[in-house]
Amino acid sequence: DSGVTQTPKHLITATGQRVTLRCSPRSGDLSVYWYQQSLDQGLQFLIQYYNGEERAKGNILERFSAQQFPDLHSELNLSSLELGDSALYFCASSVTPGWDQPQHFGDGTRLSIL
Amino acid sequence: EDQVTQSPEALRLQEGESSSLNCSYTVSGLRGLFWYRQDPGKGPEFLFTLYSAGEEKEKERLKATLTKKESFLHITAPKPEDSATYLCAVQARGRRDDKIIFGKGTRLHILP
Repeated sequence: DSGVTQTPKHLITATGQRVTLRCSPRSGDLSVYWYQQSLDQGLQFLIQYYNGEERAKGNILERFSAQQFPDLHSELNLSSLELGDSALYFCASSVTPGWDQPQHFGDGTRLSIL
Repeated sequence: EDQVTQSPEALRLQEGESSSLNCSYTVSGLRGLFWYRQDPGKGPEFLFTLYSAGEEKEKERLKATLTKKESFLHITAPKPEDSATYLCAVQARGRRDDKIIFGKGTRLHILP
C-alpha cells in the first residue's frame, strides 16, 4: 500500500461531460503529481503541485485543470470530455518537489468515456 | 525530440532464467533515470534512481545499470512474483523546467 488514495476507482461518463478526480497524498508528502496512462501513449505527466502551488506542467490539455488544497489533497478536473480522454489517471506524491525524489503512486482512476 | 524506448515490449522467461530489459534514451540533458514496477490494476512502484553513467543499484534479484545512452534492468534467477510491467523514466532538462518522460514499458512474465 503506497499510502496514496485516489477516488473514485472507476468513472463512466459521456462525451461533453465534466468530471473531478480526487487524490489524497501519502501522509507527510507535500508534492502531488498527476499522470495519464493510455495503451498507446504510455504514462504521460500532466501537472505537479507543491504545497498548494503549481510547480510544473507537462502535457496537460487546456480542458483539464487541477488544484491542491490547504489540506494537501488534490483534484484533477476534466471538462468537455472526448472519447480519447478514456484512460487511467494516476496521482503520485513525494515529500519534496524534486524529480529525483521517489514518487509514490495511487492505484488510479479508470475513466471511460462512452 | 526527447525519447525513451524500452525493449523488448514483452518477455516470457522460465523461473530461474536470467535476462535483461533495456531502456534507451535520447534527451537533451539527463538529470536522472528511474525504474518502476507496475502490477496489473496498480500504480507504478518505485525501484531505482540512477544519475550518472557507470552507476549501479541493486535490490534483491534486480540490478539497474546506466550508460550514456541506455539503462539495463538485469533480473537474476527470476521468480513468478517478478512478473509485472517494468517502466523506465527519464528526467530531462527542458527549455524552462525539467521534464519527465516515461517509456511504454516491458511486460515481463515468469513461468513457474
